[in-house]
Amino acid sequence: DAGVIQSPRHEVTEMGQEVTLRCKPISGHNSLFWYRQTMMRGLELLIYFNNNVPIDDSGMPEDRFSAKMPNASFSTLKIQPSEPRDSAVYFCASSLGGASGEFFGPGTRLTVL
Amino acid sequence: GESVGLHLPTLSVQEGDNSIINCAYSNSASDYFIWYKQESGKGPQFIIDIRSNMDKRQGQRVTVLLNKTVKHLSLQIAATQPGDSAVYFCAENMYGQNFVFGPGTRLSVLP
Repeated sequence: DAGVIQSPRHEVTEMGQEVTLRCKPISGHNSLFWYRQTMMRGLELLIYFNNNVPIDDSGMPEDRFSAKMPNASFSTLKIQPSEPRDSAVYFCASSLGGASGEFFGPGTRLTVL
Repeated sequence: GESVGLHLPTLSVQEGDNSIINCAYSNSASDYFIWYKQESGKGPQFIIDIRSNMDKRQGQRVTVLLNKTVKHLSLQIAATQPGDSAVYFCAENMYGQNFVFGPGTRLSVLP
């Protein structure tokens, strides 16, 4: 298995632009998580899905952030409009659900100028 | 730019020595715990887990100890190697909900 796949690996954009981050979870995993990691706040859970349904989005910072999971093999995290303070590494992780370990993707490093 | 960041605790150990990384977790109802290793430029990687009905679990060169009385978790790495240099996170889980991650500890292995 290729593990969790994220794209792009790096994204540089200008303030105000829309950014879409993509994730393909490990096949057979039914839980998917989006995290943000910064020096200021460490690793923060933004949102997670069980069986493609959003369960907890309390970590989503603002309405500018939205996440979708149209099917079991794909999820997107969108920021519109982006701001410089959104600059961070965004990780996607997946798991078998319940109390099972999460497997992380390589992350997308986002820089908003 | 950012002038204040998370101050990660740092543990420096000599190559070949044993390392002990500690974690205080927050929820006494948490019943499942994981240690993750994050190398520079990579995502966190699962190392070892333990459930609350155990107080010790061993893997290859790693041991996790759980003390539920004081809500403390530790990761012991035997014969620390340069490749062990990374940030280590503990994560707690309650009743199959999402994991809550600690702030992390940076392990630096000295030659």
